[in-house]
Amino acid sequence: AQSVTQLDSQVPVFEEAPVELRCNYSSSVSVYLFWYVQYPNQGLQLLLKYLSGSTLVESINGFEAEFNKSQTSFHLRKPSVHISDTAEYFCAVGPSGTYKYIFGTGTRLKVLA
Amino acid sequence: DSGVTQTPKHLITATGQRVTLRCSPRSGDLSVYWYQQSLDQGLQFLIQYYNGEERAKGNILERFSAQQFPDLHSELNLSSLELGDSALYFCASSVGAEPYNEQFFGPGTRLTVL
Repeated sequence: AQSVTQLDSQVPVFEEAPVELRCNYSSSVSVYLFWYVQYPNQGLQLLLKYLSGSTLVESINGFEAEFNKSQTSFHLRKPSVHISDTAEYFCAVGPSGTYKYIFGTGTRLKVLA
Repeated sequence: DSGVTQTPKHLITATGQRVTLRCSPRSGDLSVYWYQQSLDQGLQFLIQYYNGEERAKGNILERFSAQQFPDLHSELNLSSLELGDSALYFCASSVGAEPYNEQFFGPGTRLTVL
């Protein structure tokens, strides 16, 4: 069975500091990987995704994630965070050959001034 | 604005009652997903429909049912409601049914069961 683990439920970080949000998955088949962001009182929206090709993917607002097959990880990073990055971040896995989408439990990123 | 609409935004009801949540997908999207988000269980996938047919089932209770209509809107029916069903229910849509498709989420319906 497939699963997604986000080890950190909350991550506080000061503005302009770097941050890494961790995501590990378990799957017996190849997967598509996603990071979604949920701002307060809103639905989720896609931040970035890995389908194939280059293992490093970037978003338009400075986040990046690297697919590491050997470690089954897809950690999200940003070199310098802003107050506006305060949100909940969800890692998701879409196992190929299925129609399922599995979300992690989410990580609340709180950026402090 | 994702283009996915959900009604109502808020719903307050009593235990034992039945409610219907409605979702209209983005124009052109054939796939609809339903999720339940609660503080203790996180974001749980309930069910997926593609072009009117059920495609995948997650942790959906037998008291819950859903359908997708010919105009592609979807409804989630929750019956014999319990206090623990209080949650935020999200609908999402995508172009196709495959897991590599980006999902676009609606703003959610907040259900409170008293």
